[in-house]
Amino acid sequence: NAGVTQTPKFRILKIGQSMTLQCAQDMNHNYMYWYRQDPGMGLKLIYYSVGAGITDKGEVPNGYNVSRSTTEDFPLRLELAAPSQTSVYFCASRSRGQPNQPQHFGDGTRLSIL
Amino acid sequence: AQSVTQLGSHVSVSEGALVLLRCNYSSSVPPYLFWYVQYPNQGLQLLLKYTSAATLVKGINGFEAEFKKSETSFHLTKPSAHMSDAAEYFCALTYSGAGSYQLTFGKGTKLSVIP
Repeated sequence: NAGVTQTPKFRILKIGQSMTLQCAQDMNHNYMYWYRQDPGMGLKLIYYSVGAGITDKGEVPNGYNVSRSTTEDFPLRLELAAPSQTSVYFCASRSRGQPNQPQHFGDGTRLSIL
Repeated sequence: AQSVTQLGSHVSVSEGALVLLRCNYSSSVPPYLFWYVQYPNQGLQLLLKYTSAATLVKGINGFEAEFKKSETSFHLTKPSAHMSDAAEYFCALTYSGAGSYQLTFGKGTKLSVIP
């Protein structure tokens, strides 16, 4: 069971370039999330989805877009990369049910924008 | 609004010593609390979760946490630190009505274990 898979693991972008961070889960989870992690700041929610075709903004959505065409995939798109988007990005998923269902995390994508 | 505060961004303990990582929360509704661990260059792994069935929660790798409503705390402890415990630890909160149960994270505490 692969769990949550993120690709790529590392990427360097130039300012103004665009890219898509891929996230796939094989646990049939309805809920999926994108977080960014900056040193000493914990994790901040960028976008989330409660099912295919349904997405919503989190705490820090500016500069990002998402789509959810299938239950398995939840890609995150950066349209015009800026240095402030240098970060480690984590995708997570969880099943329906009680609030204490844990989120399952991928290993992250480390993104540098120069 | 809900929030999580982790006291101490960096904690150092000697191998075999008690580990205590502090987490305080603020929530206007009953919270659901989690501790996650992050090893270098990896994602977050669940250590334990509070479910309201018991105030003392046991997790993996010998860790446990006690939910104290009166103190709004959910501190993480381990009686005897091991070198393999060196990692960053995150306390997180969600609640019923939090949209899709998104987590609010503390800023993390990096644990160093001294041989």
